[in-house]
Amino acid sequence: NAGVTQTPKFQVLKTGQSMTLQCAQDMNHEYMSWYRQDPGMGLRLIHYSVGAGITDQGEVPNGYNVSRSTTEDFPLRLLSAAPSQTSVYFCASSYDSGGLRGSPLHFGNGTRLTVT
Amino acid sequence: GNSVTQMEGPVTLSEEAFLTINCTYTATGYPSLFWYVQYPGEGLQLLLKATKADDKGSNKGFEATYRKETTSFHLEKGSVQVSDSAVYFCAPHSGAGSYQLTFGKGTKLSVIP
Repeated sequence: NAGVTQTPKFQVLKTGQSMTLQCAQDMNHEYMSWYRQDPGMGLRLIHYSVGAGITDQGEVPNGYNVSRSTTEDFPLRLLSAAPSQTSVYFCASSYDSGGLRGSPLHFGNGTRLTVT
Repeated sequence: GNSVTQMEGPVTLSEEAFLTINCTYTATGYPSLFWYVQYPGEGLQLLLKATKADDKGSNKGFEATYRKETTSFHLEKGSVQVSDSAVYFCAPHSGAGSYQLTFGKGTKLSVIP
């Protein structure tokens, strides 16, 4: 059981470039989300989805787009990379689509992104 | 929305020492409470949880008790090991249509032999 798979593990971009961070889960989870982790800031929610075709913004959505065409996949797109987007990005999923009260998040191993 | 105040680190302990990491929260409704752990180079993973007042979650020698009256969920371990070196995150899950989870800022624990 692979769980949550993120690719790539590392990426370096120049300012203004675009790219897509991939996230796939094989647990048939309805809920998927993207976080960024920065030193001293903890985890901050970028976007989330409660099912195929449904997405919503989190705490820090600017500069990022998402889509959810299938249950399994939830890619994160950086439209025009900026140095402020240098971070470690985590994708997470959960079974509970009626709210996350009882269900833990399952995290991928992260993508370390550097924007120069 | 929810908020979490977590003990700031880093925390450095000798092997077999007692560990406490404090966590207090504010949350809408009646949340479940989670502790996650992040080992170097990895994503977060569930350490333990408690879903109602006075419940005790436990795993790998770690424990935390859901204290509704003090809105706290402090993490404890009686005897830490070098392998416990990691970053620990506290997070309330509110449920009932609440999908924006809030995490504490994390507490980095280093255990030295």
